[in-house]
Amino acid sequence: SQQGEEDPQALSIQEGENATMNCSYKTSINNLQWYRQNSGRGLVHLILIRSNEREKHSGRLRVTLDTSKKSSSLLITASRAADTASYFCATGMNRDDKIIFGKGTRLHILP
Amino acid sequence: NAGVTQTPKFRVLKTGQSMTLLCAQDMNHEYMYWYRQDPGMGLRLIHYSVGEGTTAKGEVPDGYNVSRLKKQNFLLGLESAAPSQTSVYFCASRNRVSVNQPQHFGDGTRLSIL
Repeated sequence: SQQGEEDPQALSIQEGENATMNCSYKTSINNLQWYRQNSGRGLVHLILIRSNEREKHSGRLRVTLDTSKKSSSLLITASRAADTASYFCATGMNRDDKIIFGKGTRLHILP
Repeated sequence: NAGVTQTPKFRVLKTGQSMTLLCAQDMNHEYMYWYRQDPGMGLRLIHYSVGEGTTAKGEVPDGYNVSRLKKQNFLLGLESAAPSQTSVYFCASRNRVSVNQPQHFGDGTRLSIL
């Protein structure tokens, strides 16, 4: 069963604009992770935020986590053509060896 | 640095045939996972392993078997392939240090069952 649900399912923006995608989940988590998948490739880990953290930055990426609303957002600033990909959130539950992926957001950066 | 390597990259099977997908990692990771990815479904966990000689079922284990005879290898088997198993299969691994460790993925095996 899917734990995380990304929103929107697809997003097209102009190069240079900021892209925001959201993830909602259902149960308590230990951490929330964001992954990127380029067409025809495997997933690449972007950033992990722990349940006791509210915001985290990595380069042009900013992730927020609101455990009271059971939601997270991924912001990509100053988008580039190379950011065109699918983005997935994944949640890790307490003391669990597995993570559960959402269905992803397809991001398309227009030139 | 190879990371996670999956073989083969592509395969076409006929219904009822069997095959084994191989995943190899060179990062000395204890945990390994097999997922399938279908359009609009995201990634779903098939089986996973927390160490050599151990395996466990994931969300969609039916029709698949796995083995972890060596720490670096995780095999996924289809005993009698069905069209519903047409999918892209991904292997991943991670360190056991803590639950707050990312997974590292291979580039996938694209499998078609006719």
